[in-house]
Amino acid sequence: DVKVTQSSRYLVKRTGEKVFLECVQDMDHENMFWYRQDPGLGLRLIYFSYDVKMKEKGDIPEGYSVSREKKERFSLILESASTNQTSMYLCASSPGQHPTEAFFGQGTRLTVV
Amino acid sequence: AQTVTQSQPEMSVQEAETVTLSCTYDTSESDYYLFWYKQPPSRQMILVIRQEAYKQQNATENRFSVNFQKAAKSFSLKISDSQLGDAAMYFCAYRSAGTGNQFYFGTGTSLTVIP
Repeated sequence: DVKVTQSSRYLVKRTGEKVFLECVQDMDHENMFWYRQDPGLGLRLIYFSYDVKMKEKGDIPEGYSVSREKKERFSLILESASTNQTSMYLCASSPGQHPTEAFFGQGTRLTVV
Repeated sequence: AQTVTQSQPEMSVQEAETVTLSCTYDTSESDYYLFWYKQPPSRQMILVIRQEAYKQQNATENRFSVNFQKAAKSFSLKISDSQLGDAAMYFCAYRSAGTGNQFYFGTGTSLTVIP
């Protein structure tokens, strides 16, 4: 089975802190994604990566950055956390070939106080 | 960017009954893929069913089936013989078969199953 693992299920951070959300997949997938999930807004794409060291902005990249130094790991970075970044963060991966689906991690609920 | 619309924020169904969740999408492409995902309270997103746009036949997976209307850009999910374990958020998603690797998601429908 494909496994996508996010480093934390729950995180509480203070305003202004630098926050790292880590995601690891074990299926050699080319594509990895970071989504933010808020009630009534669905899943919104923050960033995605289609290869090592490659990244593309999604719909809401402001206030976030990403790093993909190894194929299996995709990190989301909040350079200076703010309260409006309190949310659920979902990581996903998929092979480069279509028509496969995205496989998701269990989500990280981040609270910024 | 493609848009995916789920117009029903909440739905409810009696156990053992049938319910249909709606999804529409907007695209100018002819080749793409559509998905329904389930997110139970555990938060783990699970693929329910997948449809390739080039296939005319509607996809089915056990109690789950879709009504894919390509011309109308509609992709509804039918759950038959609803079970308590079907209670979850359901998300419709679109992925292009051509350029780009993004998945576009709707805002979700929260399904309650009444015993």
